[in-house]
Amino acid sequence: RKEVEQDPGPFNVPEGATVAFNCTYSNSASQSFFWYRQDCRKEPKLLMSLYSSGNEDGRFTAQLNRASQYISLLIRDSKLSDSATYLCVVSYGGATNKLIFGTGTLLAVQP
Amino acid sequence: NAGVTQTPKFQVLKTGQSMTLQCAQDMNHNSMYWYRQDPGMGLRLIYYSASEGTTDKGEVPNGYNVSRLNKREFSLRLESAAPSQTSVYFCASSDTGWKQFFGPGTRLTVL
Repeated sequence: RKEVEQDPGPFNVPEGATVAFNCTYSNSASQSFFWYRQDCRKEPKLLMSLYSSGNEDGRFTAQLNRASQYISLLIRDSKLSDSATYLCVVSYGGATNKLIFGTGTLLAVQP
Repeated sequence: NAGVTQTPKFQVLKTGQSMTLQCAQDMNHNSMYWYRQDPGMGLRLIYYSASEGTTDKGEVPNGYNVSRLNKREFSLRLESAAPSQTSVYFCASSDTGWKQFFGPGTRLTVL
């Protein structure tokens, strides 16, 4: 079983739609959780971090369920510019200086 | 601020050749990382350096060596390149460990 699992997609949605991505992790000792965004042929960039049950930033909402070892990302009112791969990222055990990356979920927002 | 820079951007090697990938950061970060990204595998940690003067193996260190030359620079060396090392290599740096800043990547092909 992979340490971080994501649905690879692609998710094809129209502009204005709401879309949700899910992620599960296997290490119950993980303490920190993140969503990174990676544009095609570019480097990953931090989108959101999660330390408690959830975090909201504009159109983006991330939720954490420690009991189920489950993380989600909700994007409301999708824009063309949201098209990218979204990486679910979990800290390695109790340490915060090593991260485990999921393989990513591809989102394509259509006009 | 340039952030994290990597050279070269592209490289083609023949099996058995050696090369060094260079990485530098100007954010005064303590920690630096080397990852490789392959289709369907996500980002995997090769080596990391928690601080100047220290290096540790990550998930996939075989076939690689690293040098933390000073606080700014962290290089990755392939002594005898193999086709299995064809990948995109990303360098990252971090102050806190959880927010990592990535360089633009090096696309390496080994024939």
